[in-house]
Amino acid sequence: EPEVTQTPSHQVTQMGQEVILRCVPISNHLYFYWYRQILGQKVEFLVSFYNNEISEKSEIFDDQFSVERPDGSNFTLKIRSTKLEDSAMYFCASSGGLQLPYEQYFGPGTRLTVT
Amino acid sequence: AQTVTQSQPEMSVQEAETVTLSCTYDTSENNYYLFWYKQPPSRQMILVIRQEAYKQQNATENRFSVNFQKAAKSFSLKISDSQLGDTAMYFCAFMKSDGGSNYKLTFGKGTLLTVNP
Repeated sequence: EPEVTQTPSHQVTQMGQEVILRCVPISNHLYFYWYRQILGQKVEFLVSFYNNEISEKSEIFDDQFSVERPDGSNFTLKIRSTKLEDSAMYFCASSGGLQLPYEQYFGPGTRLTVT
Repeated sequence: AQTVTQSQPEMSVQEAETVTLSCTYDTSENNYYLFWYKQPPSRQMILVIRQEAYKQQNATENRFSVNFQKAAKSFSLKISDSQLGDTAMYFCAFMKSDGGSNYKLTFGKGTLLTVNP
């Protein structure tokens, strides 16, 4: 069964460093998303991406964040200068098989720890 | 803006029994989707069940079913014949349907369900 994959599973970085989180969505999906979950809290929407551009972004997704689909398979989230409060689990999701564009499938997440 | 409320931070149930998790939401939209996601200790988000708001019939997936009350803006999840593997955090989520290109999910805070042997 097709699945969303994410790498790395755990990333430790120092404050101020740049990180890139990688995702490989399900191959025939058209819509891509990033969410984050701070430990013990609810899952929060960051950004959605369709047709090579951002569809919507939340107030969390400021100028320090960017997304890219550099090729036909990868979808990346970049944080330019990490802060302590960026420590969280980051989930990639995809949707948009022809019949069910609204049914999102999540990857296993990347745990980001900023020290 | 839409909000999703899960009023039960934690619940427990005995194996093989039935449990119901509550969820209410607030929206001015008429067309939308509702979902329940499961997050086991591995922290992977797994889709359990979905409901289209335009459908009056409650969705069912094996042991999982929902009670969707559109007028009351209520969307509860019933798990029958609970199994130890059902132990997880359960999130209720809302998605508006406006025919656009964004299918953003808004999540509740979750209910931690423990199934006891």
